[in-house]
Amino acid sequence: DAMVIQNPRYQVTQFGKPVTLSCSQTLNHNVMYWYQQKSSQAPKLLFHYYDKDFNNEADTPDNFQSRRPNTSFCFLDIRSPGLGDAAMYLCATSTIWGGTDTQYFGPGTRLTVL
Amino acid sequence: QQQVKQSPQSLIVQKGGISIINCAYENTAFDYFPWYQQFPGKGPALLIAIRPDVSEKKEGRFTISFNKSAKQFSLHIMDSQPGDSATYFCAASGGSNYQLIWGAGTKLIIKP
Repeated sequence: DAMVIQNPRYQVTQFGKPVTLSCSQTLNHNVMYWYQQKSSQAPKLLFHYYDKDFNNEADTPDNFQSRRPNTSFCFLDIRSPGLGDAAMYLCATSTIWGGTDTQYFGPGTRLTVL
Repeated sequence: QQQVKQSPQSLIVQKGGISIINCAYENTAFDYFPWYQQFPGKGPALLIAIRPDVSEKKEGRFTISFNKSAKQFSLHIMDSQPGDSATYFCAASGGSNYQLIWGAGTKLIIKP
């Protein structure tokens, strides 16, 4: 089945130690998104790629970076994780950019910062 | 004006009952209103969506009711089942706002 895969599902890191989360998709969608979701809150969009075009949300901290080496893969790098970065990180894809297209979410990576 | 207000925050319904979740918006340029369902430990998944040219959309036990003049829309789950227990998010997009604007979510529990 076509899907969005995230690895690892659980990630523990230490305060200030860089961490990379990965996402892959078999849907061949043009757009990939990274969301941060804290407990009992809605997902918060960090950035998205339309093909190789990177778009950063205005309030996404500089501590968060992303790479998309090809259509299928996208990475989220957190350069110096703080305690406030502990959250679920969700990757999603869609065929076109824009909220009117269905977004397909992966299962998420739960990040713990010690 | 970019917000989508969702209520209630949590809801407990008996099995077989009707679950109703409400959302309200201010931006009249919004023209797409999806509902996403999220189970614990999973990512959200699109449940059902509506555009403002219709007042109601039904898919199985799930119905969206849309009131354009009141700028409100709601999700009705008929014959609610324990398997419907999840967090439900309404959202909206449109106009100059291409990204989804999410409601705060409703944690629904269906009691057997």
